Amino acid sequence: ENVLTQSPGTLSLSPGESVTLSCRASQSVTGGYVAWYQQKPGQAPRLLIHGTLSRAGPGVPERFIGHGSGTGFTLTISRLEPEDFAVYYCQQYGSSPPTFGGGTKVEIK
Amino acid sequence: EVQLVESGGGLVKPGGSLRLSCAVSGFRFDNSRMNWVRQAPGGGLEWVASISGSGRDIAYTDSVKGRFTISRDNAKNLLHLQMSSLRAEDTAVYYCAKDMGIWYYFEFWGQGALVTVSS
Repeated sequence: ENVLTQSPGTLSLSPGESVTLSCRASQSVTGGYVAWYQQKPGQAPRLLIHGTLSRAGPGVPERFIGHGSGTGFTLTISRLEPEDFAVYYCQQYGSSPPTFGGGTKVEIK
Repeated sequence: EVQLVESGGGLVKPGGSLRLSCAVSGFRFDNSRMNWVRQAPGGGLEWVASISGSGRDIAYTDSVKGRFTISRDNAKNLLHLQMSSLRAEDTAVYYCAKDMGIWYYFEFWGQGALVTVSS
């Protein structure tokens, strides 16, 4: 299976800062089929990005930007808002089984 | 409005069985592939199983093959996960999730059902 590694595990940032989260795959992800999810405590994950860079509908703010190809993918959050502090997971669906990264926690400094 | 509501979670002893259900509304259930995704306490996400809209195509992650059975009742808009021979490592919140049909990314999620396997 394609193993995804997210780094770093935790980031401590202030509102207004920008951040780039990394997701590395053990094998090239077919078609760039990578999604990103946001999860807050006690809640289900929320789909943010699919197909590397497509936002999942009008409810996802434009400050969430996906990028990447091959084995390296990123999620950039420009100008963090208070509601953006959460755990972020990447997921690949280019090969079976679909797999998730271990997550990056973005916490308030 | 799309809703997925899981039920059936609880505490079970190692080796025991449990059946989860997910009641679905707000979209065409009978032509939607459905999944179970789990999250161990403090841990990451793991896809567990999927079932096509017709129920004919089913897939499992290796660690649950032969122990878990995914099924659906399209007349009642219900998704099920029958879990048997449960192990401590199966302890997790189990989410039902709708994927995008062709692609295995998860558009809608339920709120989750906690399954605890402990003596």
